[in-house]
Amino acid sequence: DAGITQSPRYKITETGRQVTLMCHQTWSHSYMFWYRQDLGHGLRLIYYSAAADITDKGEVPDGYVVSRSKTENFPLTLESATRSQTSVYFCASSELRLDTGELFFGEGSRLTVL
Amino acid sequence: DQQVKQNSPSLSVQEGRISILNCDYTNSMFDYFLWYKKYPAEGPTFLISISSIKDKNEDGRFTVFLNKSAKHLSLHIVPSQPGDSAVYFCAARGYNNNDMRFGAGTRLTVKP
Repeated sequence: DAGITQSPRYKITETGRQVTLMCHQTWSHSYMFWYRQDLGHGLRLIYYSAAADITDKGEVPDGYVVSRSKTENFPLTLESATRSQTSVYFCASSELRLDTGELFFGEGSRLTVL
Repeated sequence: DQQVKQNSPSLSVQEGRISILNCDYTNSMFDYFLWYKKYPAEGPTFLISISSIKDKNEDGRFTVFLNKSAKHLSLHIVPSQPGDSAVYFCAARGYNNNDMRFGAGTRLTVKP
């Protein structure tokens, strides 16, 4: 099916563990993004990517690692999870420089770090 | 520093009346402003946008107004419907930045 999919949708892990959230899009959009949503903060940009092998930091990159070896995939890794990383994570894709450059979001991955 | 601000966390209006959601920004280098709507357990979806060279854009029941001198934009929904109940995020895209920044969101409740 066309679109953007995230996995897992729900994850519970422990402090110090490594966690990877997957994101896959079928539109061949150049840009991909990771946001986290927290009460009172809205959506905050973690990392984004303008193309394969090109990534850049957003507002809150500390504690996260991304890679983009293929255009369609943009995994987000928490190398050593902390409780403050409990959040809902949204992946998005876009052709940012085309018209308004609206973002298309996945359904989110809810991560709980115990 | 939060470059896009939505200072009202919630808004409640009666069905059929107008809903006005507000957003302020601090960075003059934004070229597009967008509004997204989010239902629980779903990702945000695009609603309407406005270029920085315009002051109004209308799409059906939704109108966005931009006041560049005040660095302020607003979303008007008229008439409001119960199905409009959701969290609304204001977002801004920079001229030179390849990213999009969001406000904290406003939860709109439309009462039947």
